[in-house]
Amino acid sequence: DAGVIQSPRHEVTEMGQEVTLRCKPISGHNSLFWYRQTMMRGLELLIYFNNNVPIDDSGMPEDRFSAKMPNASFSTLKIQPSEPRDSAVYFCASALSGFQPQHFGDGTRLSIL
Amino acid sequence: AQTVTQSQPEMSVQEAETVTLSCTYDTSESDYYLFWYKQPPSRQMILVIRQEAYKQQNATENRFSVNFQKAAKSFSLKISDSQLGDAAMYFCAELNYGGATNKLIFGTGTLLAVQP
Repeated sequence: DAGVIQSPRHEVTEMGQEVTLRCKPISGHNSLFWYRQTMMRGLELLIYFNNNVPIDDSGMPEDRFSAKMPNASFSTLKIQPSEPRDSAVYFCASALSGFQPQHFGDGTRLSIL
Repeated sequence: AQTVTQSQPEMSVQEAETVTLSCTYDTSESDYYLFWYKQPPSRQMILVIRQEAYKQQNATENRFSVNFQKAAKSFSLKISDSQLGDAAMYFCAELNYGGATNKLIFGTGTLLAVQP
């Protein structure tokens, strides 16, 4: 079975540009999570969807960040406008349900210049 | 608030030897799960092992086992017969079940080096 698929794997862009990260969860999983990993703050949950509905977005840093899940097989995390402090590795994870083990994608390394 | 503490930023083990990584957590919930994830240099997050809090028996997956001490809120990972491929960052994580958010809280990680 295919795992969680994220794209792009790397993204380098200039400050102020819009960035869109994409995620395809494992088929049949109904929970989806976006995490951010930095040296300073470690792994942080940004937002959690259950059955395509955002349940908890309290980890979203500010209004520049938005996430959508239009269907069960696709989610996006958008940053607009991007800032250098947004540079991090962004992971998407999915699970059969909220308390089942989460399976992570390979992450997107984002660099904002 | 949930916290997960890994007090060993770095560890080293000789190939074929055994190493134990420590983790403590703090939760007021009665239903929760504990996990160890491995992150090699390729940056994948790989699930190593899972423990349900209601189970007294320690989880085991091949060379990986845990020592779960619920009263002490301790959840250590033992790696037996260490292999070069075990070299990675290891994260302990806790998941509370039943709240509004089933949120994984991660520790800060332990970087494991395996010496040939």
